[in-house]
Amino acid sequence: DAGVIQSPRHEVTEMGQEVTLRCKPISGHNSLFWYRQTMMRGLELLIYFNNNVPIDDSGMPEDRFSAKMPNASFSTLKIQPSEPRDSAVYFCASSLLRGGSNQPQHFGDGTRLSIL
Amino acid sequence: QQQVKQSPQSLIVQKGGISIINCAYENTAFDYFPWYQQFPGKGPALLIAIRPDVSEKKEGRFTISFNKSAKQFSLHIMDSQPGDSATYFCAASKFASGTYKYIFGTGTRLKVLA
Repeated sequence: DAGVIQSPRHEVTEMGQEVTLRCKPISGHNSLFWYRQTMMRGLELLIYFNNNVPIDDSGMPEDRFSAKMPNASFSTLKIQPSEPRDSAVYFCASSLLRGGSNQPQHFGDGTRLSIL
Repeated sequence: QQQVKQSPQSLIVQKGGISIINCAYENTAFDYFPWYQQFPGKGPALLIAIRPDVSEKKEGRFTISFNKSAKQFSLHIMDSQPGDSATYFCAASKFASGTYKYIFGTGTRLKVLA
């Protein structure tokens, strides 16, 4: 079975450019999460969706960050304009949200983003 | 109350030894405690998980011990192998704001010497 698929795996761009990260969750999963991982702050939850609807974006660091989920099989995280401090590894994870049952989150292999 | 404290930050173990990583939490509303294993360049992968109605769960060489009264849980890796060298994250989860949110520990970098 295919896991969570993220693209690109690596992105290097200059400060001020727009960056778009992509995620395809596991088929059948209805919750999707975007995380950021840095040495200093560990794994931080940025935003999550249930059934394609954004539920909580309180972890999004600034208005420069936005996320969409136009359908059940695709989500994007966009940074515009990008800054060097946005350099990190960004992970997408998905899970099956079932009433009354906490299910595991499955992570993609991430996008390593470097802003010069 | 939302933190999960993980220790040690790094760990070096000889091949065949036991690796032990500890986590502590404060919020008694957490009801699911997974452990993730992460290799360089890869995403965290679910290793083993436990719910608070049991005190121990074992899968192969990996065991979670759970102490509900102390609000602590730990990962034991028996007969540690060089291939176990990775970063391990504990997490605690509860239902909040419409989904099951995870709070991750800060990670333990394990190195198993051959």
